[in-house]
Amino acid sequence: DQQVKQNSPSLSVQEGRISILNCDYTNSMFDYFLWYKKYPAEGPTFLISISSIKDKNEDGRFTVFLNKSAKHLSLHIVPSQPGDSAVYFCAASAKGGSEKLVFGKGTKLTVNP
Amino acid sequence: GAVVSQHPSRVICKSGTSVKIECRSLDFQATTMFWYRQFPKQSLMLMATSNEGSKATYEQGVEKDKFLINHASLTLSTLTVTSAHPEDSSFYICSTDQGYLGYTFGSGTRLTVV
Repeated sequence: DQQVKQNSPSLSVQEGRISILNCDYTNSMFDYFLWYKKYPAEGPTFLISISSIKDKNEDGRFTVFLNKSAKHLSLHIVPSQPGDSAVYFCAASAKGGSEKLVFGKGTKLTVNP
Repeated sequence: GAVVSQHPSRVICKSGTSVKIECRSLDFQATTMFWYRQFPKQSLMLMATSNEGSKATYEQGVEKDKFLINHASLTLSTLTVTSAHPEDSSFYICSTDQGYLGYTFGSGTRLTVV
């Protein structure tokens, strides 16, 4: 039973446009959510996070939105750049983030020049 | 989708002892598995890449004699933390790469060394 789901295995957007990556979760105990970015042959690197007390967190071109009632979060990248092409993982944790991470299967983003 | 089973989910051990963590690919033949350590504030460190039938590839700064990795079959990779110390206490996570099918992460192991 997958507790964190990324239903789109891939996404392709044009440079300069918005990329929207989606993630759904089922465990209501999750209260801390993160996005990771992974390039080939490297480990995932932390991108941005959000606590359940917020519904939005912004860091430069990256914004994460959290809809607790729908158990849904999304990552917006504006404007998208070719260097953003990577696999993006959504992850969730309980107890304010002190518990182990539960990952989605990832979405491969391709930003075309 | 593929399932990766990681065991145990929690382990407490005494300082100086060794602990083995298993990562099983239940329905996928994983020639490659990855081992990560989860640090505070959720950063993940890739420790090593485990290759079936050959030696693991360790990342810089990871002691291969301390973190022994064995990938003897296409469905099982193990990470053994030898002579564990309290500073080794952490979450350890494995994952597989199934190409276009995506990545699957294990459920993680919480290691506490006392």
